[in-house]
Amino acid sequence: RKEVEQDPGPFNVPEGATVAFNCTYSNSASQSFFWYRQDCRKEPKLLMSVYSSGNEDGRFTAQLNRASQYISLLIRDSKLSDSATYLCVPRGSNTGKLIFGQGTTLQVKP
Amino acid sequence: DGGITQSPKYLFRKEGQNVTLSCEQNLNHDAMYWYRQDPGQGLRLIYYSQIVNDFQKGDIAEGYSVSREKKESFPLTVTSAQKNPTAFYLCASSRETGELFFGEGSRLTVL
Repeated sequence: RKEVEQDPGPFNVPEGATVAFNCTYSNSASQSFFWYRQDCRKEPKLLMSVYSSGNEDGRFTAQLNRASQYISLLIRDSKLSDSATYLCVPRGSNTGKLIFGQGTTLQVKP
Repeated sequence: DGGITQSPKYLFRKEGQNVTLSCEQNLNHDAMYWYRQDPGQGLRLIYYSQIVNDFQKGDIAEGYSVSREKKESFPLTVTSAQKNPTAFYLCASSRETGELFFGEGSRLTVL
């Protein structure tokens, strides 16, 4: 099993839709989780950090399910500008080896 | 302005040549990372360093080398032993809480 798995998509949704992606992780010792957004040919940028059961920031909600070892990212009221690839990274107690999922591509259509 | 600077942004190399990519940060972060990204793929960890004068191999370290002589600097050398070096290389540093901050990346093309 890969350390971090994401459905690559692409997820094609209309503007205004609600969409959710999952990220599964194999290391049960992971304590914190991060979602990054990456635009085409650019560097990833931090979208959200999750240190407990979840986090919410405007239209974005991250929810952690420790029992099933996955974290989800929910985007409400999708905008055209949300089109990007979304990457997740779990972090264990050892900060060193940060492994990314392959990313989920979202395409929001008018 | 605090941040991470990678150079060069674009680099062309002939087969058989070594090339060094620069990464400098002024965020006072202890940990630094190098990732490689191929088109349509995720980020793969090459090397990471949690403290000066110490570094560890990531998942794809073969054909690469690094040094960490100063806290601010973590250069990556792509050696001739790397069979398929054409890629987008990303350097990052992280806070103690784990959030990564990336440079703008270096695109290496082998001719």
